[in-house]
Amino acid sequence: KQEVTQIPAALSVPEGENLVLNCSFTDSAIYNLQWFRQDPGKGLTSLLLIQSSQREQTSGRLNASLDKSSGRSTLYIAASQPGDSATYLCAVETSGSRLTFGEGTQLTVNP
Amino acid sequence: SAVISQKPSRDICQRGTSLTIQCQVDSQVTMMFWYRQQPGQSLTLIATANQGSEATYESGFVIDKFPISRPNLTFSTLTVSNMSPEDSSIYLCSVGPMMNTEAFFGQGTRLTVV
Repeated sequence: KQEVTQIPAALSVPEGENLVLNCSFTDSAIYNLQWFRQDPGKGLTSLLLIQSSQREQTSGRLNASLDKSSGRSTLYIAASQPGDSATYLCAVETSGSRLTFGEGTQLTVNP
Repeated sequence: SAVISQKPSRDICQRGTSLTIQCQVDSQVTMMFWYRQQPGQSLTLIATANQGSEATYESGFVIDKFPISRPNLTFSTLTVSNMSPEDSSIYLCSVGPMMNTEAFFGQGTRLTVV
């Protein structure tokens, strides 16, 4: 059974800092890994999708990496802003279009 | 990409009643998914809904409690039946991933049962 773990559970940083969120998964037989953002009480917004054959994806200040063999992904956020405050979730796709989610990292960026 | 309109966005319901949540997609999709997010927790898949067939439920979820309809390729509903306070959660519908494409989610329905 696939299990996804995210570290840290919560993170508080001053504005402008670069930061790294971590995601690990137990079964390397994945199709892809996706990072999402969730604002309180809201739905999920897709940030980045990394296919299993890829190592990295970038979108603006966000960079996500994938090491499938070791079961790890990182989300790097450059020059953090208060508007980045949210919960960040990673999810892996396995067979049957099934997504398994981590518990999330709650990020607070302080002005 | 896909745009999903989910409603209601929130509701407060009396125990013992039922609530039907609707999701409308702006394109035709084969599979739609329903998730539950209990307070402070991550998402758990309830069921997969395919058009023209019965939904497939995950372990711990049953059709009598969470009946799902999928009348066409752009629409689905999830009903939370005979509600109790333990059903208070955010319910989300999604499309994808499919063939290495992204998964997209509705805005979520925040349900409080009193």
